[in-house]
Amino acid sequence: DAGVTQSPTHLIKTRGQHVTLRCSPISGHKSVSWYQQVLGQGPQFIFQYYEKEERGRGNFPDRFSARQFPNYSSELNVNALLLGDSALYLCASSRTGALAGGETQYFGPGTRLLVL
Amino acid sequence: KNEVEQSPQNLTAQEGEFITINCSYSVGISALHWLQQHPGGGIVSLFMLSSGKKKHGRLIATINIQEKHSSLHITASHPRDSAVYICAAYYGGSQGNLIFGKGTKLSVKP
Repeated sequence: DAGVTQSPTHLIKTRGQHVTLRCSPISGHKSVSWYQQVLGQGPQFIFQYYEKEERGRGNFPDRFSARQFPNYSSELNVNALLLGDSALYLCASSRTGALAGGETQYFGPGTRLLVL
Repeated sequence: KNEVEQSPQNLTAQEGEFITINCSYSVGISALHWLQQHPGGGIVSLFMLSSGKKKHGRLIATINIQEKHSSLHITASHPRDSAVYICAAYYGGSQGNLIFGKGTKLSVKP
């Protein structure tokens, strides 16, 4: 089975632009989470989706939005890009998103975004 | 504020050494994850713990709920173990997701 896939792998944008990042979960997984990892730091939670509904949201501005499609793939959108948005964006999938119940998340390789 | 602290930040070891990485968290959690991140960014989930101890090959993870502390041990370390090891705590609640530590960068020399 294919793992979690993300596209693109790398992206360069300029300040003020908009970006869309894409994630395809493992087959059978209905939950997708998005994380931002700034260089030298641990990842930070952005969103979790389950069955196309937002289940959780981290402490990020409204410039960040996401959605999940009927096939459980997901998009992360960032508007009005800032230099500080430069980071590795990670997507992770799990069967139901019930992490407290011991469910494992599987991470994609990430999209490296550079904002100039 | 829910926080996750890891120590040490950087660790250099000789091949064959026993390695311990520590993780502490601020309040009660539902589960704690240990993750491995290789250069280039790919993250692999190693363990999910809510109590006790788990072992997989040369890796052992323990958690002490009362002391709000978890450890990841690597026995007979090998250069291929070189990576960043991250612990992440699941606090549950409305935010519903993981709070990550900053990671421990491990380098194992041959």
